[in-house]
Amino acid sequence: GAVVSQHPSRVICKSGTSVKIECRSLDFQATTMFWYRQFPKQSLMLMATSNEGSKATYEQGVEKDKFLINHASLTLSTLTVTSAHPEDSSFYICSARVIPMNTEAFFGQGTRLTVV
Amino acid sequence: GQQLNQSPQSMFIQEGEDVSMNCTSSSIFNTWLWYKQDPGEGPVLLIALYKAGELTSNGRLTAQFGITRKDSFLNISASIPSDVGIYFCAGRSGNTPLVFGKGTRLSVIA
Repeated sequence: GAVVSQHPSRVICKSGTSVKIECRSLDFQATTMFWYRQFPKQSLMLMATSNEGSKATYEQGVEKDKFLINHASLTLSTLTVTSAHPEDSSFYICSARVIPMNTEAFFGQGTRLTVV
Repeated sequence: GQQLNQSPQSMFIQEGEDVSMNCTSSSIFNTWLWYKQDPGEGPVLLIALYKAGELTSNGRLTAQFGITRKDSFLNISASIPSDVGIYFCAGRSGNTPLVFGKGTRLSVIA
């Protein structure tokens, strides 16, 4: 299967600072990338869909100014958590899919964010 | 957002036993996917299904795309300790984002 690399795997930051998480498709071009958030013992919650070269589409209830998404190339999308607060602590996961081919969504390894 | 109804929520089984879990949806999907997630890791794709009635195997895993296109099941035969983890079903209609089930937590007792 295709490889999606997410970095960093873990990050601890102070309240009020910003954190950037990278998601790269290593061996294919991803026209669409998805960002999810996962709370302990819960399922994946879609935060936003990003298409290369255009603005991300955010799910209802997700603050676009809080979670900045950039998809500047076909192999890289970034999620920046701005002015992080402890309640932003969570497991963030990205996935990538090529459209219109009916390929599966491949996930990154996830990023554990802890805001102290 | 929309979620699939995945059951059971958790299972405790003896090593060597077979496992079955399923997902149902009120909507018709054209793709069903099954993932496994280990603690602290992202989901790993196990099986992808694209046609109603399709039955696909991956080693000891077998999954089927329901005829009604509103359900899918995953079977694991002769379970082993490394099968422990959380299994998620996911469905999609067209090019929409995946919709995920709440997961089935599998524990295997040696």
